[in-house]
Amino acid sequence: GAVVSQHPSWVICKSGTSVKIECRSLDFQATTMFWYRQFPKQSLMLMATSNEGSKATYEQGVEKDKFLINHASLTLSTLTVTSAHPEDSSFYICSARGQEDIQYFGAGTRLSVL
Amino acid sequence: AQSVTQLDSQVPVFEEAPVELRCNYSSSVSVYLFWYVQYPNQGLQLLLKYLSGSTLVKGINGFEAEFNKSQTSFHLRKPSVHISDTAEYFCAVTPPGSARQLTFGSGTQLTVLP
Repeated sequence: GAVVSQHPSWVICKSGTSVKIECRSLDFQATTMFWYRQFPKQSLMLMATSNEGSKATYEQGVEKDKFLINHASLTLSTLTVTSAHPEDSSFYICSARGQEDIQYFGAGTRLSVL
Repeated sequence: AQSVTQLDSQVPVFEEAPVELRCNYSSSVSVYLFWYVQYPNQGLQLLLKYLSGSTLVKGINGFEAEFNKSQTSFHLRKPSVHISDTAEYFCAVTPPGSARQLTFGSGTQLTVLP
């Protein structure tokens, strides 16, 4: 149980385009999901907290107009990187908060912006 | 606020040898503690957790950890490692409660040598 699916696993796009990443909790409902960014050989950096039915809470320094988060249902949160640029290239990971405050993570999405 | 320190960024160890990955935390409130493992280009997988009760917790893949409140530590151990244990290991904490984010350590790269 407690499986989180993240899609796509790898995406390559041209500079200036937008990319949408989906995060789904497959066998449980998650009122709260989290989006992280991870640079090579570094720990996870929390970008935002996504709450079902309300606006996401962004961490300091994260541009909410560039990283659009939508949590429209109890099993789906999406992260859209708008007008992507090469500096947005990174590994993005989502997690969903399950029972006992345990976070279950997706497999991650590697974004490469050319 | 919480902080997590993983003193060892890299731990090389020979196959079938025991290993300990160290984790210390700082918090003004009680916390839940977690160890996650990340294989290359993948998300994080929960190894084990301490929420309450017995201070010695056992997880998947033969790993265990001991919560030491007086030393504010949660070290991860395995008596005999395998090549397949080579991965990045993250210690994390969160205060109990709703919508609380995880605070991660900087990670420890465990490399098991033949």
